[in-house]
Amino acid sequence: DAGVIQSPRHEVTEMGQEVTLRCKPISGHNSLFWYRQTMMRGLELLIYFNNNVPIDDSGMPEDRFSAKMPNASFSTLKIQPSEPRDSAVYFCASSPGTAKQYFGPGTRLTVT
Amino acid sequence: DAKTTQPTSMDCAEGRAANLPCNHSTISGNEYVYWYRQIHSQGPQYIIHGLKNNETNEMASLIITEDRKSSTLILPHATLRDTAVYYCIVRDPNNAGNMLTFGGGTRLMVKP
Repeated sequence: DAGVIQSPRHEVTEMGQEVTLRCKPISGHNSLFWYRQTMMRGLELLIYFNNNVPIDDSGMPEDRFSAKMPNASFSTLKIQPSEPRDSAVYFCASSPGTAKQYFGPGTRLTVT
Repeated sequence: DAKTTQPTSMDCAEGRAANLPCNHSTISGNEYVYWYRQIHSQGPQYIIHGLKNNETNEMASLIITEDRKSSTLILPHATLRDTAVYYCIVRDPNNAGNMLTFGGGTRLMVKP
């Protein structure tokens, strides 16, 4: 089992550019979560999906952020336009329908 | 979700037991206690969870007080690789989505 796969691992972009983060959950898991981690705010849940359907996006900071899950094996988190304050580590996690979540290695985003 | 209180940081000598406390005085009857840890530059990792009884697995032991208002995670023989931030989370598994709310956690430093 390869675990949760995220790409890219590092992303550096200029303010105003579109950023797309990708996640492949563990096969068979029906829940997927996107988190953001910063020194100031810690680990925050942005959105989660159950059976590919967004259930709770109350953690999404603003309309510049959007997330999709077109199928059970792929999800994207998009920021458009990006801003320096979006710089953070973004984690994707999946779960087989329990609170035991399996986290990916994260994408470190730097917006200059 | 009930809130948890953990010490900000702790030290432990290599080879000794690490005992990490967590207070959750407002925990309700259906809420489980979950422990995760996050090693530097990695995603959080599930350790153990329990409801009422003490639990043990290959990673750690979880001791929950009889009134369930506090718990202790025990790493019986801490190694340098156990240096991480340890998060205590309480969660009702019957709530939709199995979301987890991460607090500040305890930064455990295992020293040689």
